[in-house]
Amino acid sequence: SQQGEEDPQALSIQEGENATMNCSYKTSINNLQWYRQNSGRGLVHLILIRSNEREKHSGRLRVTLDTSKKSSSLLITASRAADTASYFCATALNQAGTALIFGKGTTLSVSS
Amino acid sequence: GAGVSQSPSNKVTEKGKDVELRCDPISGHTALYWYRQSLGQGLEFLIYFQGNSAPDKSGLPSDRFSAERTGGSVSTLTIQRTQQEDSAVYLCASSYTGFDLDSWEQYFGPGTRLTVT
Repeated sequence: SQQGEEDPQALSIQEGENATMNCSYKTSINNLQWYRQNSGRGLVHLILIRSNEREKHSGRLRVTLDTSKKSSSLLITASRAADTASYFCATALNQAGTALIFGKGTTLSVSS
Repeated sequence: GAGVSQSPSNKVTEKGKDVELRCDPISGHTALYWYRQSLGQGLEFLIYFQGNSAPDKSGLPSDRFSAERTGGSVSTLTIQRTQQEDSAVYLCASSYTGFDLDSWEQYFGPGTRLTVT
């Protein structure tokens, strides 16, 4: 079964608007990561947040983590057409080097 | 430097045939992972290799699936007697294993799109 579940499944916004995607997971984690996928091919790592962190920023990205609710959110501010992609959260359970558990993703469409 | 590469990029095969998918990880990365992504779905973990340790095969969906990693580098995923439900994009990723935060990040290849007719 899926560890992470993203919400919403699909999101359509206009350029300049903010996009918020949520992720819920089931078990305790070491860290949570967000990845982006363009055109159904390879994934690109965006940001990692540790289980003892609550918020993290990277450029236009802001990630929050609430371990008590087992949830995370990814906020993309001032969106651009180039942000159009699928976004996945992935959880890492224990030591480094183990497989990530991915959710089904949120498909973001940014129109100009 | 060079990223993770996979070949072929696309593979169309007839039901019942065997296929081999190749992954070249980033040089120096000791961990290698195979995932499968069906249309509109998230990534499904298949198998991972960590250095010289026995691989974690817990995600392989059936005994028709196998993978090997030769010399701690290149990996081949083999699917025997392919079925239509095997149609998916097969993604390979690698990472280096250390004690710092960067070792958690996985670097993905472009994937192999497998179509079983």
